[in-house]
Amino acid sequence: AQSVTQPDIHITVSEGASLELRCNYSYGATPYLFWYVQSPGQGLQLLLKYFSGDTLVQGIKGFEAEFKRSQSSFNLRKPSVHWSDAAEYFCAVGSSSGGSNYKLTFGKGTLLTVNP
Amino acid sequence: DTGVSQDPRHKITKRGQNVTFRCDPISEHNRLYWYRQTLGQGPEFLTYFQNEAQLEKSRLLSDRFSAERPKGSFSTLEIQRTEQGDSAMYLCASSSRQDPNYEQYFGPGTRLTVT
Repeated sequence: AQSVTQPDIHITVSEGASLELRCNYSYGATPYLFWYVQSPGQGLQLLLKYFSGDTLVQGIKGFEAEFKRSQSSFNLRKPSVHWSDAAEYFCAVGSSSGGSNYKLTFGKGTLLTVNP
Repeated sequence: DTGVSQDPRHKITKRGQNVTFRCDPISEHNRLYWYRQTLGQGPEFLTYFQNEAQLEKSRLLSDRFSAERPKGSFSTLEIQRTEQGDSAMYLCASSSRQDPNYEQYFGPGTRLTVT
């Protein structure tokens, strides 16, 4: 069965500092990988996704992530964090059936606090 | 395109009562998903529909839970004889047949509190 591990429950960074959120996955086939962000009282918003091709993917809000098959990782990065980035971040792996993604398995999330 | 909507946004109920939540997907999205998110956890898959057919149900979906999607449009999730352990955020998502990767768009969720 697929699984996702986000080793860091809570990360605090200063505004303007760089950010890296870690994600490790377990999946038998080529994974579909996602990063979502959830602000208080809000639904999940997709930041970026990886299905195939270039292992460095660009997303919204200046985020990027790199798929490393050898390390089963899909870490999220941002070069300069803004106060509005404070939120909870979820990594997810998609299960596929018939070649299409149909079910997401999420990690437990990483809560990001941004200090002024 | 107004996004995925869910109703109600909040529900407080007493243990043993039945509750029903509604999800309206993005128009013409053929797939609809339900997830449950408890405090401090990521969302967990409950079930999904392709059009009106319910194609998979998680073990998390006990026999007190039932989901329907009549006519392949909106969906309802009913919990019978609620228990305190059912307290959670219930998230709905939808995806389109036009997207070969079936990217899922999430609604704001229904927060259930069982007292």
